[in-house]
Amino acid sequence: GAGVSQSPSNKVTEKGKDVELRCDPISGHTALYWYRQSLGQGLEFLIYFQGNSAPDKSGLPSDRFSAERTGGSVSTLTIQRTQQEDSAVYLCASSLTQHKYFGPGTRLTVT
Amino acid sequence: DQQVKQNSPSLSVQEGRISILNCDYTNSMFDYFLWYKKYPAEGPTFLISISSIKDKNEDGRFTVFLNKSAKHLSLHIVPSQPGDSAVYFCAASETSGTYKYIFGTGTRLKVLA
Repeated sequence: GAGVSQSPSNKVTEKGKDVELRCDPISGHTALYWYRQSLGQGLEFLIYFQGNSAPDKSGLPSDRFSAERTGGSVSTLTIQRTQQEDSAVYLCASSLTQHKYFGPGTRLTVT
Repeated sequence: DQQVKQNSPSLSVQEGRISILNCDYTNSMFDYFLWYKKYPAEGPTFLISISSIKDKNEDGRFTVFLNKSAKHLSLHIVPSQPGDSAVYFCAASETSGTYKYIFGTGTRLKVLA
């Protein structure tokens, strides 16, 4: 069956540019999460969606980061005016019950 | 402030022997713990979990032990197989139904054939 997919798999961007990262969760999964893993760090929680609403955005590092989810399905994480410290692997996960299913991630490199 | 710590970034074990991966946490409110396994270029996959009402949970070759007083958990893999070579993440949450897992930094396990 189809798992969580993310696109692009790799993104290289110049400092100051905006980027959009996409997540397609498993069909029927109501909860969706964004995490990121910076070099040498654990998975850092960014935001949680239940349906289309985001009850917890507390992990977003700054107001340059935003995310939306439409139709209870696809989610987009947008980073405006990217900085070098935004370089990381951005992971999306979805769940119906308690266990999360992760996508392969998007590796973002800001030069 | 790292609430979940995996102090060994890497571990090498001979095939057939036991692998022991360790995890420490600081938040006494954590009562649900998980281990995820991650292969390169793939997302983490759920491996095994344990609730704080237990001190051991076993699933095939994988056993997780929880020592609440020491705020320590460990994952035992026996016997270790080359296919177990991956990065293992420990995670914790305050209740089993919560969405917010706090992850450790991971331990890279290499099982030598």
